[in-house]
Amino acid sequence: EVVMTQSPATLSVSPGERATLSCRASPSVSSNLAWYQQKPGQAPRLLIYGASTRATGIPARFSGSGSGTEFTLTISSLQSEDFAVYYCQQYNDWPPWTFGQGTKVEIK
Amino acid sequence: QLQLVESGGGLVKPGGSLRLSCAASGFTFSHYYMSWIRQVPGKGLEWVSYISSSGTTTHYADPVKGRFTISRDNAKDSLYLQMDSLGAEDTAVYYCAREGTGVYAYDIWGQGTMVTVSS
Repeated sequence: EVVMTQSPATLSVSPGERATLSCRASPSVSSNLAWYQQKPGQAPRLLIYGASTRATGIPARFSGSGSGTEFTLTISSLQSEDFAVYYCQQYNDWPPWTFGQGTKVEIK
Repeated sequence: QLQLVESGGGLVKPGGSLRLSCAASGFTFSHYYMSWIRQVPGKGLEWVSYISSSGTTTHYADPVKGRFTISRDNAKDSLYLQMDSLGAEDTAVYYCAREGTGVYAYDIWGQGTMVTVSS
């Protein structure tokens, strides 16, 4: 089973600042990685797939990078609607499809 | 618009059964692989089960193997999860999700249905 580890667990950021979230895979998942955003009481929303491709309708301030075992989600300038929990997920080696434990981005 | 709507959740006693449904609309359901994913309130996401577009291939997470059965009716644009021998550890919000063509990630999610296993 591929283990996905996200860091930090909580990230405190001021509006307008840059946020950098990390996701580590063990073993490698190539570029078969997705990022999701989840707000309280809502279902997750796909942000990024293929490690760096934005999903339909996702603003350009969201970007993904990395391959193999190290991945990053960057939010270039945090808006109020971006405060949420973010999950990474691998779809390289399945079953099972596995998720990270999440990073909560909160207002500083 | 593209939509998945789950139903069938509720309160069930330990050892009981429940059948979840997921109704799809706005896309050709029969073309897509589908999964069930669950989330204990306040916790992370856990993949539960997968079914191929035709229904011929299924996969299950180890914690539910032998107790849960995924199925689909492409004529009714519907996905199902039959859950038997339920335990407290199965208490969670259950989401159905579509695997996007060429995307391979879950690009459409339902709103979720809560399953509570308690005496």
